[in-house]
Amino acid sequence: KQEVTQIPAALSVPEGENLVLNCSFTDSAIYNLQWFRQDPGKGLTSLLLIQSSQREQTSGRLNASLDKSSGRSTLYIAASQPGDSATYLCAVYGKLIFGTGTRLQVFP
Amino acid sequence: NAGVTQTPKFQVLKTGQSMTLQCAQDMNHEYMSWYRQDPGMGLRLIHYSVGAGITDQGEVPNGYNVSRSTTEDFPLRLLSAAPSQTSVYFCASARAGRGINEQFFGPGTRLTVL
Repeated sequence: KQEVTQIPAALSVPEGENLVLNCSFTDSAIYNLQWFRQDPGKGLTSLLLIQSSQREQTSGRLNASLDKSSGRSTLYIAASQPGDSATYLCAVYGKLIFGTGTRLQVFP
Repeated sequence: NAGVTQTPKFQVLKTGQSMTLQCAQDMNHEYMSWYRQDPGMGLRLIHYSVGAGITDQGEVPNGYNVSRSTTEDFPLRLLSAAPSQTSVYFCASARAGRGINEQFFGPGTRLTVL
């Protein structure tokens, strides 16, 4: 059974720091991996989708990498801003299995 | 495009009542799914569909029914609500083909069962 773990569970940093969020999964036989952002009381917003044949994807200040052999993905956030405060979720495809998320707070 | 829409946004039920959560998408996506989100549990897949007339169970299907009579709609039915079904419910859709592609989520329905 696929299990997805995200570390850390919560993170509080000052504005301007570069951040790394971690996602690990137990079964490397995945199709794709997707990172989402969820604001309090809101739905999920897709950030990046990495296909199984890719090793990374970039969008603006966000960069996500995928290492299937080690069962890991990282989300790198450059020059963090207070508007980045949210919960970040990773999910792996076969059936979409979610991690429990990293709750990020960026303070001015 | 409206994307994925869900109604209602909030609902309070009494134990034993039934109701249907509505989900619709206007992107002509083949794949649609329902998740529930509970504190400390993350999002868990309830049911999914890969096209009209085709549905299958996810991780936590008990107590829920679905049908997919059209590409656009994928309602979730609670036949006899229980307090354990208090949760936030999300519907999502995606293109299918070579696996499931990027999923788009609705805004959620917050359900409380008393």
